Amino acid sequence: GQSLEQPSEVTAVEGAIVQINCTYQTSGFYGLSWYQQHDGGAPTFLSYNALDGLEETGRFSSFLSRSDSYGYLLLQELQMKDSASYFCAVYTGFKTIFGAGTRLFVKA
Amino acid sequence: EAGVTQFPSHSVIEKGQTVTLRCDPISGHDNLYWYRRVMGKEIKFLLHFVKESKQDESGMPNNRFLAERTGGTYSTLKVQPAELEDSGVYFCASSQEFRQGAGNTIYFGEGSWLTVV
Repeated sequence: GQSLEQPSEVTAVEGAIVQINCTYQTSGFYGLSWYQQHDGGAPTFLSYNALDGLEETGRFSSFLSRSDSYGYLLLQELQMKDSASYFCAVYTGFKTIFGAGTRLFVKA
Repeated sequence: EAGVTQFPSHSVIEKGQTVTLRCDPISGHDNLYWYRRVMGKEIKFLLHFVKESKQDESGMPNNRFLAERTGGTYSTLKVQPAELEDSGVYFCASSQEFRQGAGNTIYFGEGSWLTVV
């Protein structure tokens, strides 16, 4: 079967750094994406990694290791507005498969 | 540019009734997807259209679910008859063609929240 594993919940304080891990097992792999979803809203695209290494976009960075079938999303200088669910997703070449999401709680 | 729009945003129906969800993708996006999320679970793939053709419907739970995409534009997802376990958020999404290095960015609608009672 195909699966993506990520922690169900993470809590951190404002200003801190948090890392959300994702391991995947899929038939086919083109790249790993991350999406953010605020309560009641639409999931929105954050990042995409096709190659190994770290991609930085402002306060957010995403890492991929294809050999380990592993990636993570790194959020720096956490703000209250970062409280949301974060989904990792794999594009298999045929479809995009999502994980169950990690609920991030940012506390003051 | 308008995003992906879905209708209705919320629907409460009784078991055994029929509900039809509509999705208007971003103009020019040939790829249209339906996903479902049950509380706390993954965003589960249901099916994928390329223009008006069903590319992959492997995620459709059973024959109570019927998806169509008329003329390669908007899409509908009909659940008939609805069961309690069909409750969840149904997301429609669209994308352009896959591009090497840029991936397959999917643009989601805000979802249709279905409650079957």
